[in-house]
Amino acid sequence: TQLLEQSPQFLSIQEGENLTVYCNSSSVFSSLQWYRQEPGEGPVLLVTVVTGGEVKKLKRLTFQFGDARKDSSLHITAAQPGDTGLYLCAGHRGFGNEKLTFGTGTRLTIIP
Amino acid sequence: GAVVSQHPSRVICKSGTSVKIECRSLDFQATTMFWYRQFPKQSLMLMATSNEGSKATYEQGVEKDKFLINHASLTLSTLTVTSAHPEDSSFYICSALRGGGPDTQYFGPGTRLTVL
Repeated sequence: TQLLEQSPQFLSIQEGENLTVYCNSSSVFSSLQWYRQEPGEGPVLLVTVVTGGEVKKLKRLTFQFGDARKDSSLHITAAQPGDTGLYLCAGHRGFGNEKLTFGTGTRLTIIP
Repeated sequence: GAVVSQHPSRVICKSGTSVKIECRSLDFQATTMFWYRQFPKQSLMLMATSNEGSKATYEQGVEKDKFLINHASLTLSTLTVTSAHPEDSSFYICSALRGGGPDTQYFGPGTRLTVL
């Protein structure tokens, strides 16, 4: 059983459209991170959210941490081909836990 | 920013041989490093936690005698896949934990292992 479920698993949209990726769990996480991974490379950290209800913006990307710290979302506005990649959420389960639990991943393709 | 390197980036070996993968934190010291495995089109799965100067902690289902981890210094952890078989072919990724503030893992670029 995967602790962090991401949806959708695959998403292919036209350039300029908006999209939202969800990361859901029944467990509480002390913090949650979003990564983007290109083929053949390691994941690159996009953002860390720590406080329940927190919203962070990174240019066209908006990240939200659920009030109960069990879920998160990533919203991309006006998607561009450079946004293509595998998006992974990951969290520290509970508190004082150094181990990261990764989500199931969302493979995003932006069509020019 | 913090940099983590892995070597080699790609390796092809024959079945039955052993392969060593290095993970280095280049500009910070890391008492804790992590090893992950990623199969095609899947997410990262934690294999083990590597602690400097002590034995690694393995996740359930990961054979410690097959995946030997050594963390001999504050900047280097190694993963040795012993007696490799084709089912061990995967993308292996390490990360190093940099302390101070919210714990942040910095990931290496990964090592693609192909066992023939």
